[in-house]
Amino acid sequence: GESVGLHLPTLSVQEGDNSIINCAYSNSASDYFIWYKQESGKGPQFIIDIRSNMDKRQGQRVTVLLNKTVKHLSLQIAATQPGDSAVYFCAENKEDGTSYGKLTFGQGTILTVHP
Amino acid sequence: GAGVSQSPSNKVTEKGKDVELRCDPISGHTALYWYRQSLGQGLEFLIYFQGNSAPDKSGLPSDRFSAERTGGSVSTLTIQRTQQEDSAVYLCAIRAYNEQFFGPGTRLTVL
Repeated sequence: GESVGLHLPTLSVQEGDNSIINCAYSNSASDYFIWYKQESGKGPQFIIDIRSNMDKRQGQRVTVLLNKTVKHLSLQIAATQPGDSAVYFCAENKEDGTSYGKLTFGQGTILTVHP
Repeated sequence: GAGVSQSPSNKVTEKGKDVELRCDPISGHTALYWYRQSLGQGLEFLIYFQGNSAPDKSGLPSDRFSAERTGGSVSTLTIQRTQQEDSAVYLCAIRAYNEQFFGPGTRLTVL
């Protein structure tokens, strides 16, 4: 069945380091992948997305890498800041008109940034 | 998110009671989703609305769960005869430009 999972449930880094959060997915038909950040008491906030016809996409301080061969997705955060501390979720979607845009989420990784 | 508000923010109820959770999105977004987030878990899809109709209810866990949407705007999620396993954060999201914008959620605790 469809599933999206994470290798590491927690990640602790020092301020200024680069962070890498990983995600594995099992549905090879998925064609749209998103990373969300969720702070305590808030809903998930969109960070960056990538479509299956790409293998890399960059945003401000963030980069998403997609390896379709091994069904792996990663989020890289450069120069991590204390404000980046949150739970990070990957999510996937199949944009074929049948899934209505509903997202399948991974379990989440807790990122803690130490000053 | 700024485009979706939910109420109440917290709800504590006794087992067996009915609860209603409200989602109030900014106008103009026809696609609306409900998700559930259990403690320490990712989000689980419940139901999708296109306008006032729900073409995908496949995530509703039991017939105790129902949802409606009126005027293509406000949506309510109703849980009848609540059980302790219903305790979770219930999140509503709208879709715009292929992104989903989430509300802050309602934390439901069933005692």
